[in-house]
Formats: sequence, structure tokens, C-alpha cells
Amino acid sequence: DADVTQTPRNRITKTGKRIMLECSQTKGHDRMYWYRQDPGLGLRLIYYSFDVKDINKGEISDGYSVSRQAQAKFSLSLESAIPNQTALYFCATSDTARHPYEQYFGPGTRLTVT
Amino acid sequence: SQQGEEDPQALSIQEGENATMNCSYKTSINNLQWYRQNSGRGLVHLILIRSNEREKHSGRLRVTLDTSKKSSSLLITASRAADTASYFCATDYRSGGSNYKLTFGKGTLLTVNP
Repeated sequence: DADVTQTPRNRITKTGKRIMLECSQTKGHDRMYWYRQDPGLGLRLIYYSFDVKDINKGEISDGYSVSRQAQAKFSLSLESAIPNQTALYFCATSDTARHPYEQYFGPGTRLTVT
Repeated sequence: SQQGEEDPQALSIQEGENATMNCSYKTSINNLQWYRQNSGRGLVHLILIRSNEREKHSGRLRVTLDTSKKSSSLLITASRAADTASYFCATDYRSGGSNYKLTFGKGTLLTVNP
């Protein structure tokens, strides 16, 4: 079984709809991250969480919100989706105690907003 | 803004040849990492080199770091078709505290032809 899972893997939604992307991990890591990837722009950090009570904005948090429901779960919401949020979204984890800089990525969610 | 920039953007070689990719960054770092991404999939951590290290090896991978030039290179020796992927450098940066956030470059697309 994959250590970091994301659901859904693909999603097509309409402008203005609310959508949630979910991430679960079985690695026991404390830190979790959400990134988006756009062609030619690499990965950009949306939000990150160091533990259940700690949520931080990344470089492109506008239009997004997150919830850390448990150490193993970190969800990303688009309150009112817009077409320029069409992208590949990745969740990642890291372990502060052992290898804080190495991140482990989920398989990604391809989101299309029409 | 992107901390790391890879060069070249794309590289095409024959199986058995060596592949070299470069990364330049802007500010002082604690360490630099390289990740691989197969088409449309999550990133996979390859290797981490600390700011006080100059060279590191892992299997067919050789990474160098020149902090005076703020640059790193990734060498893949005896390349295989399975090495076809995008390669990203990722840097943390010394912002004080223990953020452990990474900034990714835009990637080098490596194609290894059989």
C-alpha cells in the first residue's frame, strides 16, 4: 500500500464549485504539505502543517484553505474553484525527528476547473 | 519566487551515456536535494547534500555542490531508458528557526533513448 495517498486522483469541476482534495499518510510523519504544479512553473507551496494545531500559509494560499483533521490527514479545499486553479496537486510529508528536509509525495490529483 | 533553477530545461541522450543537470540558487542554504518525477506522478527523493559537503554519491548518481557559486550538479552515469523523467532540485533556505520548507526549481526533463 502507498504510504501517502490522495483522493480523488482526477477531478473535473465547474467554476464556482467547492471542492476538497484529501491526503492520508501511514508514514507517521508529523509534517504535511500541499503543493500545486503547473507546466513550466515547477512546484509551489500552498499550505503546510507541522502538527494538528499548526497551519501555515505557503507562497500561493489565496483561494485555498486546509484542515489537518489528524496527524495522518490533511485536506485542501477550494472554496470557489476558478479555471486558473487547474493544476496537478501534490500532498507531501516529512519527519521532523529523523529526516526533516526529505519530503515524501503522494501520487497527485489532477484537477480541471471548467 | 523560485529559489532554484535547473539547466538545461530538457536533455535528450542515448542509453549508456552520462547525463548532467545543473541547479543554481540565490540565497544561502542548509542543504540541497534532488528529486525525480516520472510523468504525471509524485516526486521521489533521490539524494540530499548538506551545505558543508562538496560531493555525494548514491549508486549511479553523483551530486556536487559549490556554495561559492550557489550551484549544484546531478550526474547520472550509464543512463537507462528507465531514467527518463523530470529532475528537480530543491533547496531550503536559512530563514531562521526550523521551517524545513523547500523551494523547487522548474525541473530538467531528461529523455534517455534506447
